[in-house]
Amino acid sequence: EVQMVESGGALVQPGGSLRLSCVASGFSFSSYGMAWVRQAPGKGLEWVAAFSSSGGSIYYADSVKGRFTISRDNSKNTLYLQMSSLRVEDTAIYYCAKDRLGPTMVFFDFRGQGTRVIVSS
Amino acid sequence: DIQLTQSPSFLSASVGDRVTITCRSSQGISSYFAWYQQKPPKAPKLLIYGASTLESGVPSRFSGSVSGTEFTLTISSLQPEDFATYYCQELGSFGQGTKLEIK
Repeated sequence: EVQMVESGGALVQPGGSLRLSCVASGFSFSSYGMAWVRQAPGKGLEWVAAFSSSGGSIYYADSVKGRFTISRDNSKNTLYLQMSSLRVEDTAIYYCAKDRLGPTMVFFDFRGQGTRVIVSS
Repeated sequence: DIQLTQSPSFLSASVGDRVTITCRSSQGISSYFAWYQQKPPKAPKLLIYGASTLESGVPSRFSGSVSGTEFTLTISSLQPEDFATYYCQELGSFGQGTKLEIK
C-alpha cells in the first residue's frame, strides 16, 4: 500500500525556519517525481515545489522561490522541504505527493494526512 | 504561469442529479490536466488525469472531457459521498475549487 507520512510542522515566528519531512513507502520512491502542495486555512490548493526522480529538475512556486528548498534522500525514501524566512502567509497544511505516473511531476497522488505549519508571532 | 478559471465556485445539487464543473485554461494541454476531490480534513484525491482518464477505483459516474481550452468534470448521478470540493489542475496551477453542497 502506498503511504506518505508528513511531519515537522509547528508554530514558528515570522522570519523563522522549519524543515518538513515526508517518509514514503509502498512504491519505488526513487522512480517517482515528488512534490509539496499546501493549503492555507479555508483556501484552495497551491503547488509549492517539485523534484523529478533523478533530481535533474527542480521547480518552485514564485511565492517561495529563494526561501524554500526541496530535497530528497532516495536511500531513506524521504522528501524534505527546508523553509526559511517564513511569512504569515506561509501558514498552511503542507502535503507531499508523488507523481501518478512516474519520474516527472505532472499529476499529484496524495497519500498522507499533511503537516500543519503556523507562522505567527 | 498557467491560469485556470474554475466555475462555479459553489454548486447546490440533489442526490441523483447530473452536475458539471468547468475549468478554462490559458494553455489547455490535455496531457497535463487533472481533477481532484477533497473532503476535509483529508488530502485531495486524484479522480481524473490526462483530462479524461479515470483513476483506478473511481466510480464510472465521474467523467472528464475537453473542448479546446475548456475542461469539464461531469458526475452523471450524484451520490451522497460525492458532496465535496473539486479542483482542476494543470501542471503547477490549481483552479480555485468548486464546493458541491447538498440542496
